[in-house]
Amino acid sequence: NAGVTQTPKFRVLKTGQSMTLLCAQDMNHEYMYWYRQDPGMGLRLIHYSVGEGTTAKGEVPDGYNVSRLKKQNFLLGLESAAPSQTSVYFCASQGMDYGYTFGSGTRLTVV
Amino acid sequence: AQSVSQHNHHVILSEAASLELGCNYSYGGTVNLFWYVQYPGQHLQLLLKYFSGDPLVKGIKGFEAEFIKSKFSFNLRKPSVQWSDTAEYFCAVKNQAGTALIFGKGTTLSVSS
Repeated sequence: NAGVTQTPKFRVLKTGQSMTLLCAQDMNHEYMYWYRQDPGMGLRLIHYSVGEGTTAKGEVPDGYNVSRLKKQNFLLGLESAAPSQTSVYFCASQGMDYGYTFGSGTRLTVV
Repeated sequence: AQSVSQHNHHVILSEAASLELGCNYSYGGTVNLFWYVQYPGQHLQLLLKYFSGDPLVKGIKGFEAEFIKSKFSFNLRKPSVQWSDTAEYFCAVKNQAGTALIFGKGTTLSVSS
């Protein structure tokens, strides 16, 4: 099925460890996004990309890095995880109608 | 900076009651507005969107929203809620640069049968 696929779905990290979250879309969308969702905070934009090879900072970029080497993939990296990064991470891509298609999310716990 | 305010944090209704969730945005120019729904344990799904034209927008599952420019509002409504409408609802506005959506903090709707 066409859509946005996120891996992994769950992960537990120790403080200071690093990891990469992968987002893949098969809809040929140009724009892709990484949001984090925390209780009472809604969704906050971490980084986004308007096309292959481009990235830009969102509202809460500190502690994260991203790469968009291929149009279909958008990677989110945590170089040194902190407990404050415990969250649910959603990737999304934007279609021609400006609506977002979201992935199923990655629940990350940093202990 | 642009922002979206959802005034109701948690709404509790009985089945068949009418629903109205408030949403206000800060930007005064041309706006693109959205409502998304997130069912328990799932990702966000688009309910409806407004770009231009008729300010009364109809979406999926019987939801509708009215854009009132003078009030900077885009409230979500449903005449008769069902237990299956229990979810979190997010209002969003496209940012001025047109590159990303800004989301409100969400409203949790609990419907009792």
